[in-house]
Amino acid sequence: GENVEQHPSTLSVQEGDSAVIKCTYSDSASNYFPWYKQELGKRPQLIIDIRSNVGEKKDQRIAVTLNKTAKHFSLHITETQPEDSAVYFCAARGHTGRRALTFGSGTRLQVQP
Amino acid sequence: DGGITQSPKYLFRKEGQNVTLSCEQNLNHDAMYWYRQDPGQGLRLIYYSQIVNDFQKGDIAEGYSVSREKKESFPLTVTSAQKNPTAFYLCASTAGGQANTEAFFGQGTRLTVV
Repeated sequence: GENVEQHPSTLSVQEGDSAVIKCTYSDSASNYFPWYKQELGKRPQLIIDIRSNVGEKKDQRIAVTLNKTAKHFSLHITETQPEDSAVYFCAARGHTGRRALTFGSGTRLQVQP
Repeated sequence: DGGITQSPKYLFRKEGQNVTLSCEQNLNHDAMYWYRQDPGQGLRLIYYSQIVNDFQKGDIAEGYSVSREKKESFPLTVTSAQKNPTAFYLCASTAGGQANTEAFFGQGTRLTVV
């Protein structure tokens, strides 16, 4: 089955700096890669996603890149703000077989004011 | 207000008891999922259902059971066979047919064994 590895597990940046979180996946058939933000004790919420026919997607300060050949994808947050502090999860899902999201282990991002 | 609702928010279980977590959605989604989240860890798939009256085991199904008798509902039972049930449980749903659609999550149930 699918396996998703996520790094780093914790990340501390200064306000205004950029943050990058990286994930790798194992199943070359996966074609959907969302990123979720989870604040303490709350539900995960989708912040951005990318499909396998696209290499990059951007939404204001957030961008995601996908390298299908290397089977890795990354989340980029620019001009970080204290409210970006949360746990971020990457995930992957295929279009056949088990069509459930497989999640990475999460990255705790701390933005220092 | 459309969405996915889990209840209760907090649940306490005694050793040897079965407990059932509720998950209801009014999004008309075909697929529903149960995940378990332990402190500092990612979400692990317990069970999922792509359509009514059908469900599949995920990665950590042992000690859990589910049913999908209605499209809107996907309850999870934590049985006494689950030796370490204390965790945060999240239910999710997606529109059916396409795999690349957003998963919506409920607000979670925090289960504690006392």
